Amino acid sequence: DQQVKQNSPSLSVQEGRISILNCDYTNSMFDYFLWYKKYPAEGPTFLISISSIKDKNEDGRFTVFLNKSAKHLSLHIVPSQPGDSAVYFCAAGRGNAGNMLTFGGGTRLMVKP
Amino acid sequence: DSGVTQTPKHLITATGQRVTLRCSPRSGDLSVYWYQQSLDQGLQFLIQYYNGEERAKGNILERFSAQQFPDLHSELNLSSLELGDSALYFCASSSGTGETQYFGPGTRLLVL
Repeated sequence: DQQVKQNSPSLSVQEGRISILNCDYTNSMFDYFLWYKKYPAEGPTFLISISSIKDKNEDGRFTVFLNKSAKHLSLHIVPSQPGDSAVYFCAAGRGNAGNMLTFGGGTRLMVKP
Repeated sequence: DSGVTQTPKHLITATGQRVTLRCSPRSGDLSVYWYQQSLDQGLQFLIQYYNGEERAKGNILERFSAQQFPDLHSELNLSSLELGDSALYFCASSSGTGETQYFGPGTRLLVL
């Protein structure tokens, strides 16, 4: 049973436009969410997180939106740059459960110059 | 560079063998996590240690074990290896529990 799902395996966007990556979850006990970026042959790199008490968190070009009623979160990258091309993973955790993270399957973002 | 180090970077071994993967957390971090990423699966949580004690367990096989030492580095031991154990093994660390996890570069294990 996949508790965190990223339904789009890949996304292609033109440089300068907005990239929107989506993530759905089923476990209502998750209380914080994170996005990681991963380049080949490297470990995941933390991008941005959001607690379940918020519905938006912003950090530079990256904004994460959380819709608890829909159990949906999204990552917006504006403007997209070629260096953003990577695999993006969303992850969810429960603060009182040892903080193990449950990851989605990832979305490969390609930003074309 | 996340500050988390993992050795070795690559490991090739045969079925039935035993290997040890090593992780050094970021300076000051007390929690260490181990994850497995197989070709056909995403990142799967294996186990967490906090300040030397096991804190949480995920889908970790009985053939696998881990520990965290007094200097806070951690080792993941994989025994009776099978072809299906070939994967990327990542270690992550955080300052406590509930904080952001920072990942190491991973160890790529190939079982032949």
